Amino acid sequence: IQMTQSPSSLSASVGDRVTITCRASQSISMFLNWYQQKPGTAPKLLIFAASSSQSGVPSRFSGSGSGTEFTLTISSLQPEDFAIYYCQQSDRTPFTFGPGTKVEIK
Amino acid sequence: QVQLVESGGNLVKPGGSLRLSCGASGFSFSHYHMNWIRQAPGKGLEWVSYLTSGTPTVDYADSVKGRFTISRDNPKNSLYLQMNSLRAEDTAVYYCVAGGSGRFTFWGQGTLVTVSS
Repeated sequence: IQMTQSPSSLSASVGDRVTITCRASQSISMFLNWYQQKPGTAPKLLIFAASSSQSGVPSRFSGSGSGTEFTLTISSLQPEDFAIYYCQQSDRTPFTFGPGTKVEIK
Repeated sequence: QVQLVESGGNLVKPGGSLRLSCGASGFSFSHYHMNWIRQAPGKGLEWVSYLTSGTPTVDYADSVKGRFTISRDNPKNSLYLQMNSLRAEDTAVYYCVAGGSGRFTFWGQGTLVTVSS
């Protein structure tokens, strides 16, 4: 299953609402997870099963979608949110990731 | 707290072998599916292999099938990855990751494997 993300990068200001889209090459129901990776560190699970928040993740992060199209929304971007975001399908092996979306400071 | 600590990364020549280890603590290791995920320098994430909890089931990415072997020792809270016939394209940071149902919940800090002559 191929995963694509758009945009590949974006520039935004603190306080902005940011939306990242992830598409799967075939239906994956709601088997979609989102990760955040900051430079030099391991990825961190933010959202699982398309819309469920991992424990400890701020409420400004939310996920939605099903089938082949999904979104990650950051309702009000904070300085610590500048990072690369990856989607990943967990419907079947090989588990595959999207290429990532880099969120940069405007 | 949850800790996953990888070791064993090194510089190795093409065709060589390496064994990665991962020590786990702070959670019930035997109950979690365990994975290796890698990230080539400056690139994205690639799932490499998993080994389920309970009755063990293993699976591998096509890119490593037949060359890599995943194993675990539950009493020692440890995960391993035996890597043979290494290629330049195996160069990456290798993460030990605990999760379930294809979800990657807990990550180690990674260990760097460099394949170069």
